[in-house]
Amino acid sequence: DGGITQSPKYLFRKEGQNVTLSCEQNLNHDAMYWYRQDPGQGLRLIYYSQIVNDFQKGDIAEGYSVSREKKESFPLTVTSAQKNPTAFYLCASSNSRTGLEAFFGQGTRLTVV
Amino acid sequence: EDKVVQSPLSLVVHEGDTVTLNCSYEVTNFRSLLWYKQEKKAPTFLFMLTSSGIEKKSGRLSSILDKKELFSILNITATQTGDSAIYLCATPRGNMLTFGGGTRLMVKP
Repeated sequence: DGGITQSPKYLFRKEGQNVTLSCEQNLNHDAMYWYRQDPGQGLRLIYYSQIVNDFQKGDIAEGYSVSREKKESFPLTVTSAQKNPTAFYLCASSNSRTGLEAFFGQGTRLTVV
Repeated sequence: EDKVVQSPLSLVVHEGDTVTLNCSYEVTNFRSLLWYKQEKKAPTFLFMLTSSGIEKKSGRLSSILDKKELFSILNITATQTGDSAIYLCATPRGNMLTFGGGTRLMVKP
């Protein structure tokens, strides 16, 4: 079945460590996005990519990095420079550059211990 | 600065009640407004609205857009416990989707 797969679902990290969240889609979508969601809040855009080997910063890119080496994959690295990394991370993709009707993965809950 | 604001932040109702969720927006070059439902993890798409005054309907859910007053509402009639979720509205801003803070709806039996 077509869809977006995020892994892992739960992740624990010690302070000072980098960690990479995986996002894979088989929907043949050009655009992919990473959002962060804090408890009781909406989604804030971290990074997005409209085409392979190209990506743009969103509203809260500091402390994060991404790569887009393949159309299907858009991994997110949470670096030690991110001061408050504990959050719920959602990956999305869409078949238009405007991001309309984005389809979401099931998310990764990252906890820094 | 473009922004999307939802109200109320949270809402508790009983089964059978009707609820109205609000989404106001200030964006340049408005194209559309989208509603999503987030139950546990992944938000799922509900509606996309582009024209004022045209109601979109899906079962007990309906939504309408007012481009003059810059807001949209999402109505849920005869609520059920399965309607409990966070409801998010969003609008394209450039090549990104900007989301509101969401409304957390709890429907009690």
